Amino acid sequence: SQQGEEDPQALSIQEGENATMNCSYKTSINNLQWYRQNSGRGLVHLILIRSNEREKHSGRLRVTLDTSKKSSSLLITASRAADTASYFCAIRSNAGNMLTFGGGTRLMVKP
Amino acid sequence: DSGVTQTPKHLITATGQRVTLRCSPRSGDLSVYWYQQSLDQGLQFLIQYYNGEERAKGNILERFSAQQFPDLHSELNLSSLELGDSALYFCASSASGLALGTGELFFGEGSRLTVL
Repeated sequence: SQQGEEDPQALSIQEGENATMNCSYKTSINNLQWYRQNSGRGLVHLILIRSNEREKHSGRLRVTLDTSKKSSSLLITASRAADTASYFCAIRSNAGNMLTFGGGTRLMVKP
Repeated sequence: DSGVTQTPKHLITATGQRVTLRCSPRSGDLSVYWYQQSLDQGLQFLIQYYNGEERAKGNILERFSAQQFPDLHSELNLSSLELGDSALYFCASSASGLALGTGELFFGEGSRLTVL
C-alpha cells in the first residue's frame, strides 16, 4: 500500500513539551504532506515537503523527510493545549493523482 | 474557513436508501476529491475529478458514484445504503489535477452520514 502509517497512534504530553510523530510509507513519492484534524472537523493542511527536500519549518512545526528510509517526522515544539488534534501524513506518489492518508496520530496536550 | 462547502452537514437515513452529498470547491479550483472517514478505516480516498472528468479512482464501491458539473461543483451519490456506510464524507479541492508539483488539498467540514 502507498498509504503512510503514523506512529504512535496516540500521544499524550504536557503543555510546553515537544511532540514528535512519525510516518512511514512504501512507495516513491512526489511529496509528503501533514494535515491536522480537530475532532469531527475537516482536515487542515499544515506543511508540504517535496521528495528532494530533507527538512522544512513552519512556525513551531518542523518536518523531516528521509526518502532512503521512506519515513518522515513532524515535530511540534512548545506544544499548547490548542494543538490537541489528530495529525495525518499524506503521500502523493509519482504514480498517480491520489493523495493517500495514514491512520493518524491522536495528540492530546494537557494544560 | 477553507472555502470548500459541503451539504448536508448531517444526514440520517435507513438501509437500502439513496443519498446525494454535495460539494462546492474553492473558487477557481478545478479538482475535487472525495474521501470517506470511518472509525475503523481511517481516511479512504474514493474518487477525484478534474474540470469535469474523472482523474483517479480509489476504494469506491460500485454502489457509489460521483460527478463534477460544468460549474465545478460535485456530487457523491450513495445508493443501497448499508450500516457500514455510516461515516464522515469529505470533499476537498485543489487548483491542479496534475500528479507532479501538486500542492495541498483544502477540505470541507464533511457530511456525517448515519445509516440506521
